[in-house]
Amino acid sequence: AQSVTQPDIHITVSEGASLELRCNYSYGATPYLFWYVQSPGQGLQLLLKYFSGDTLVQGIKGFEAEFKRSQSSFNLRKPSVHWSDAAEYFCAVALSGGSYIPTFGRGTSLIVHP
Amino acid sequence: DSGVTQTPKHLITATGQRVTLRCSPRSGDLSVYWYQQSLDQGLQFLIQYYNGEERAKGNILERFSAQQFPDLHSELNLSSLELGDSALYFCASSAGGLASYNEQFFGPGTRLTVL
Repeated sequence: AQSVTQPDIHITVSEGASLELRCNYSYGATPYLFWYVQSPGQGLQLLLKYFSGDTLVQGIKGFEAEFKRSQSSFNLRKPSVHWSDAAEYFCAVALSGGSYIPTFGRGTSLIVHP
Repeated sequence: DSGVTQTPKHLITATGQRVTLRCSPRSGDLSVYWYQQSLDQGLQFLIQYYNGEERAKGNILERFSAQQFPDLHSELNLSSLELGDSALYFCASSAGGLASYNEQFFGPGTRLTVL
């Protein structure tokens, strides 16, 4: 079964600094890959997804992610973090050619210092 | 606002009791998904319905059941509640079923506390 690991439980950055959230997946083939954001008291919102093609994916809110097959990684990046980016971020994988129902990582909590 | 509504927002009940969580999908969406988010297990898929029929099943306990009604709203029934069922329960909806990718839109969740 596929699995996804987010090695960082918490990440603290200063406002305006760059951000990288790590995600590694375990699956024989290339799965579908997703990043979601969960703001306090709200449901999850899709930031971006990767199915195939260009390995650098642009998403909403200025986020991007890069798929690296050799490292089984799909790290999320943002060049300059805003205080409103403080939230929980979830990486997820789904079987390619399957049900598209994601399996989620445990999440990374982003704290932004002024 | 995703367009998915869930009621109630909070629910406090006792062990052994039964509760019903309600979800109204986005207008036009035919699929409804239920997820459980807990500190122990993280975010886990429970079950999916498409146009009234069960389509996919995840880690849903036998004490839990769900259904989707003709007006496409869905209910998740949790019975014989245990302390460990305390969690945030999310509903999500999407336009289609399983044949192709359809983005899921998540509701704000129902926080269940079992005392």
